[in-house]
Amino acid sequence: DSGVTQTPKHLITATGQRVTLRCSPRSGDLSVYWYQQSLDQGLQFLIQYYNGEERAKGNILERFSAQQFPDLHSELNLSSLELGDSALYFCASSVGVGRNTGELFFGEGSRLTVL
Amino acid sequence: GENVEQHPSTLSVQEGDSAVIKCTYSDSASNYFPWYKQELGKRPQLIIDIRSNVGEKKDQRIAVTLNKTAKHFSLHITETQPEDSAVYFCAASGPGTGGSYIPTFGRGTSLIVHP
Repeated sequence: DSGVTQTPKHLITATGQRVTLRCSPRSGDLSVYWYQQSLDQGLQFLIQYYNGEERAKGNILERFSAQQFPDLHSELNLSSLELGDSALYFCASSVGVGRNTGELFFGEGSRLTVL
Repeated sequence: GENVEQHPSTLSVQEGDSAVIKCTYSDSASNYFPWYKQELGKRPQLIIDIRSNVGEKKDQRIAVTLNKTAKHFSLHITETQPEDSAVYFCAASGPGTGGSYIPTFGRGTSLIVHP
């Protein structure tokens, strides 16, 4: 158990719909990352938050957005869903940030299926 | 941004053999190189990492080597066991845009160890 909690574990929805994925980082970790893992793909970085503020942005689509709340949990919102958005979405947290980031602790992931 | 290439995509070995996975990176400013293991249906977990001021690091049956000049690093697993079967991801972390140090992952290597 990494200490990072993600919900829901599985989600099936239709094209055009909107979903919200939730992540609670490890106790004490201020930094949260979202990654997308599609079939035969590596881990694609989407976005990072640190202590409530957006810190870095990767290849995140405009239809996707995220935020980190004062209690440090984070939500990833995916809207106008397309078939190609079907993937495993991982949240990770770390103790440090920037040069001292070190190990990322991953949650179990949220598997999204868009039909 | 950083680009990480990983080879091979699939590696099949007999139990007891050694396995080597190689990665190259593009950003000479990257200074942290972790390796993650992802078992089927599970989350990625860190197995070993190396920083740019070190050329080699070993932990029991696994070792990582780093050649900063050539910008490549490798994972070596000796005396492989069936439980080593998994997908292995390399990553490189550097300042990127705004000093973010976000790990960029390779596409993964599926290691299959035959009993």
